[in-house]
Amino acid sequence: DIQMTQSPSSVSASVGDRVTITCRASQGISSWLAWYQQKPGKAPKLLISAASSLESGVPSRFSGSGSGTDFTLTINSLQPEDSATYYCQQGNSFPFTFGGGTKVEI
Amino acid sequence: EVQLVESGGGLVQPGGSLRLSCAASGFTFSSYWMHWVRQAPGKGLVWVLSFNNDGSNRVYADSVKGRFTVSGDNAKNTLYVQMNSLRAEDTAVYYCSRGAKDRTMDVWGQGTTVTVSS
Repeated sequence: DIQMTQSPSSVSASVGDRVTITCRASQGISSWLAWYQQKPGKAPKLLISAASSLESGVPSRFSGSGSGTDFTLTINSLQPEDSATYYCQQGNSFPFTFGGGTKVEI
Repeated sequence: EVQLVESGGGLVQPGGSLRLSCAASGFTFSSYWMHWVRQAPGKGLVWVLSFNNDGSNRVYADSVKGRFTVSGDNAKNTLYVQMNSLRAEDTAVYYCSRGAKDRTMDVWGQGTTVTVSS
């Protein structure tokens, strides 16, 4: 199974800051990488697919990069509504696996 | 509007069974892979199983293989998961999601809660 390791597990930042979350795969996954945002009591929401493709309706302050084993989610100019837990997910092969999550606090 | 609505969760004793449903609307269910993902209280997301558009492929996590069975009713646009021999560690919110072409999950239901306890 492919292990997905996210860091940090939590981050506290201020409005307007830039936040960077990393996700490392235990083996190469090309660009089969997604990022999700989950707020308490809610279902996850897809933010980025194929490592860097922003989903429709997602603010442009979110961006993704990387390929192979190392990936990054960047939130520029952090907003109060960005307070959430963020997960990466690999779709390279079954079993699909998620990272452990990064809680972003404002 | 594209929507997924799960139902069927509840409290069940260890060793018991439940059937979860996921009703799809706004899209043709049979044209997509569908997935179930669960989240134990206070924990992260865990993939459980996937079911492809023509029903010929079912993939299960090792933790549920042999106990969970997925099926679909194209006429009702509904996905089902029969969960047998339930264990305490199956306690979680279960989410149904639609698979996108790039192997992501682009639409999610609101989740249904399964609690396995005596």
